[in-house]
Amino acid sequence: QKEVEQDPGPLSVPEGAIVSLNCTYSNSAFQYFMWYRQYSRKGPELLMYTYSSGNKEDGRFTAQVDKSSKYISLFIRDSQPSDSATYLCAMSAGLGKLIFGQGTELSVKP
Amino acid sequence: DGGITQSPKYLFRKEGQNVTLSCEQNLNHDAMYWYRQDPGQGLRLIYYSQIVNDFQKGDIAEGYSVSREKKESFPLTVTSAQKNPTAFYLCASSSGLAGGKPNEQFFGPGTRLTVL
Repeated sequence: QKEVEQDPGPLSVPEGAIVSLNCTYSNSAFQYFMWYRQYSRKGPELLMYTYSSGNKEDGRFTAQVDKSSKYISLFIRDSQPSDSATYLCAMSAGLGKLIFGQGTELSVKP
Repeated sequence: DGGITQSPKYLFRKEGQNVTLSCEQNLNHDAMYWYRQDPGQGLRLIYYSQIVNDFQKGDIAEGYSVSREKKESFPLTVTSAQKNPTAFYLCASSSGLAGGKPNEQFFGPGTRLTVL
């Protein structure tokens, strides 16, 4: 079993839809949770970073962490074609190493 | 502009040859990382370095080697011992840990290696 599991998609939604991306994990030592966005043939860029259970909002993006269920989510409201990318969850136990999920490929159709 | 550069963008190699991928950063970051990305598998850690002249193996270090002689440079050599080297290679850097909390990793644009 992988330490981090992420629905691989691909996921296709119409413009304006609410998107939900999810990851589960098995290592209870993980304390820091990140979402990276990666456009095709580019390096990933950090989108959201949380280190406690609960919600964190930034514009159209909301990151949710439920440590009791070992489950994290990223919600995108009013999705735009420019949101089309691969979304990677990443987690750390605080030792500098990140463990990544497989990535979910999202396509937002105009 | 501060950032991470990787070169070349595309690299072709014959079987049995070693090849070195370049990674340079001018962000004054202490920590640097090498990842491999294959379709549908996310990013897997090859090697990482928290400080100059020191580095540790990641999850898939076999067939790879690194050096960290300068703070700003962390080259990766893909040796002939790596059985399936065709992949997208990403270098990242961060300012390390702050109070035990890992700081953001910044990624370079990647190098796509193809073995012919």
